[in-house]
Amino acid sequence: GENVEQHPSTLSVQEGDSAVIKCTYSDSASNYFPWYKQELGKGPQLIIDIRSNVGEKKDQRIAVTLNKTAKHFSLHITETQPEDSAVYFCAASPNTGNQFYFGTGTSLTVIP
Amino acid sequence: NAGVTQTPKFQVLKTGQSMTLQCAQDMNHEYMSWYRQDPGMGLRLIHYSVGAGITDQGEVPNGYNVSRSTTEDFPLRLLSAAPSQTSVYFCASSSQGAVNTEAFFGQGTRLTVV
Repeated sequence: GENVEQHPSTLSVQEGDSAVIKCTYSDSASNYFPWYKQELGKGPQLIIDIRSNVGEKKDQRIAVTLNKTAKHFSLHITETQPEDSAVYFCAASPNTGNQFYFGTGTSLTVIP
Repeated sequence: NAGVTQTPKFQVLKTGQSMTLQCAQDMNHEYMSWYRQDPGMGLRLIHYSVGAGITDQGEVPNGYNVSRSTTEDFPLRLLSAAPSQTSVYFCASSSQGAVNTEAFFGQGTRLTVV
């Protein structure tokens, strides 16, 4: 089955700096790669996603890149703000029924 | 629009007890799934369903049963709770399409087995 690895597990940045979280996956059949943000006591919420036919996607301060050959994808957050502090999960999904395989999460702290 | 609703939010069980975690969605999504979240391990898929009457096992199905009699509901049953099932449980739903689509998560159920 799919195996998703995520690094780093914790990340602290100064407000206004950029944050980068990296994930790798193992199953070449995976073709959908969402990123979720989880705030304390809440369920994960989608912040951005990318499909395997796209190399990069951007939404305001958030961007995701995908390298299919190397089987890795990354989340980039620019101009970080304190409200960006949360746990971020990457996931990979093969096109076989919307099953998601999650990374182990990155706890991001933005220091004011 | 309520989205995905999970009940209860918190539960304490004694070893060997049984219980059902409820999950309901009002978005008419075909796909529903259950995950457990443990520290340092992310979310792991327990069971999933691609439509009413159809269920299948995920990564960690042992000790859990599911059924899908309606599109809206996808309950998760613990037949004989064990301390290893202490975790936060999330239900998710998503729509069926030609390609994968966003999964919407409930707020979670924090289960403690003593």
